[in-house]
Amino acid sequence: EPEVTQTPSHQVTQMGQEVILRCVPISNHLYFYWYRQILGQKVEFLVSFYNNEISEKSEIFDDQFSVERPDGSNFTLKIRSTKLEDSAMYFCASTELSPYNEQFFGPGTRLTVL
Amino acid sequence: AQSVTQLDSQVPVFEEAPVELRCNYSSSVSVYLFWYVQYPNQGLQLLLKYLSGSTLVKGINGFEAEFNKSQTSFHLRKPSVHISDTAEYFCAVSDLQGAQKLVFGQGTRLTINP
Repeated sequence: EPEVTQTPSHQVTQMGQEVILRCVPISNHLYFYWYRQILGQKVEFLVSFYNNEISEKSEIFDDQFSVERPDGSNFTLKIRSTKLEDSAMYFCASTELSPYNEQFFGPGTRLTVL
Repeated sequence: AQSVTQLDSQVPVFEEAPVELRCNYSSSVSVYLFWYVQYPNQGLQLLLKYLSGSTLVKGINGFEAEFNKSQTSFHLRKPSVHISDTAEYFCAVSDLQGAQKLVFGQGTRLTINP
């Protein structure tokens, strides 16, 4: 059964460093998303991506964040200069172009900023 | 803008007992409603969804939920739980249009005791 994959499963970085979180969405899906979950808090929407451009972004998704689909299979989230408060679980999701919006989620990447 | 409230952060129940996980939402427009489950160290998996039509929807693993528009609720129920149902459960809503980001509740941790 097709699934969304994410790498790495756990990333530890120093404050101020750049990190890239990688996702491989399901191959025939067209909409891609990043969400994050800070420990003990709710899952929050960061950004949606369609047709090689951002469809919508939240107020969390500031200039430190960027997304890219570099090669037609990967979907990446880059944080340019990490802060302590960026420590969270980051989930990638994808969906077919459908009105029913069943989003399929990856297992997540736990980012720890020291 | 939408918001979702899950009234119980933790729900302990005994095996084979019934369970109800509560979810209330707020929105000025019509929405789709979802319940997702997260097993330990895994991504979010769709349990069930309400799009339109019958207000009682059935999902995987014997779960069902009832949409109540007047009470803006979408409570999740199971008549008899199993140890394997131990997980975190998330209620979510999305717009009917656009990129359809999911807005999540805080989650409810369901713990099944033998």
